[in-house]
Amino acid sequence: EVQLVESGGGLVKPGESLRLSCVVSGFTFNEAWMSWVRQAPGKGLEWVGRIKSQSNGGTTEYAAPVKDRFTISRDDSKNMFFLEMNSLKTEDTALYHCATGYGTFDFWGQGTLVTVSS
Amino acid sequence: EIVLTQSPATLSLSPGQRATLSCRASQSLTNNYLAWYQHKPGQTPRLLIYGASTRATGAPDRFSGSDSGTDFTLTISRLEPEDFAVYYCQQYDTSPPWTFGQGTKVEIK
Repeated sequence: EVQLVESGGGLVKPGESLRLSCVVSGFTFNEAWMSWVRQAPGKGLEWVGRIKSQSNGGTTEYAAPVKDRFTISRDDSKNMFFLEMNSLKTEDTALYHCATGYGTFDFWGQGTLVTVSS
Repeated sequence: EIVLTQSPATLSLSPGQRATLSCRASQSLTNNYLAWYQHKPGQTPRLLIYGASTRATGAPDRFSGSDSGTDFTLTISRLEPEDFAVYYCQQYDTSPPWTFGQGTKVEIK
């Protein structure tokens, strides 16, 4: 059974940092492309960024609102991947899901809530 | 960035009726890389359609997708009670950023 479990969310102040984690099981993680997708309260889904598998270069891409502030990384030895969020803004408040797929998002985690508020 | 515009924002229908949801892309998509998701409160989004018209594993055959240039359509042939949800289209063109439409809520009339 495929499982993705996020952790690391919480309440932070604007300008602060936070690191989210996602641990996965049930599929060959080192071949998977992984993404973060967020949903702000009352809003729709927003793709945040993606990391390719190491065999495809392990490269990352980001959505414009988070580029230069967020960094995605992975640790294939632990079946985990991460979202490092710096210089957080109130508009980053959202439920953050990890998801896997090569463009489409085939499997999702339940999400971890990030609240940015003074 | 490719912008996806979904319409209508809300669709009020009764069980058994046909639902037609639209998604318009701001430019052509490579190989029709367009997906549809169903999202219910408290659940994770569920992939229904990819490649504009291919049903994902487990998606009921009452769901179908089609395209005409930059216009994409999700059709639910006969609404079941469990189909009332929010539906999103998403493009996964060759190069990110990948984007979602703003969603269409299918509600019970």
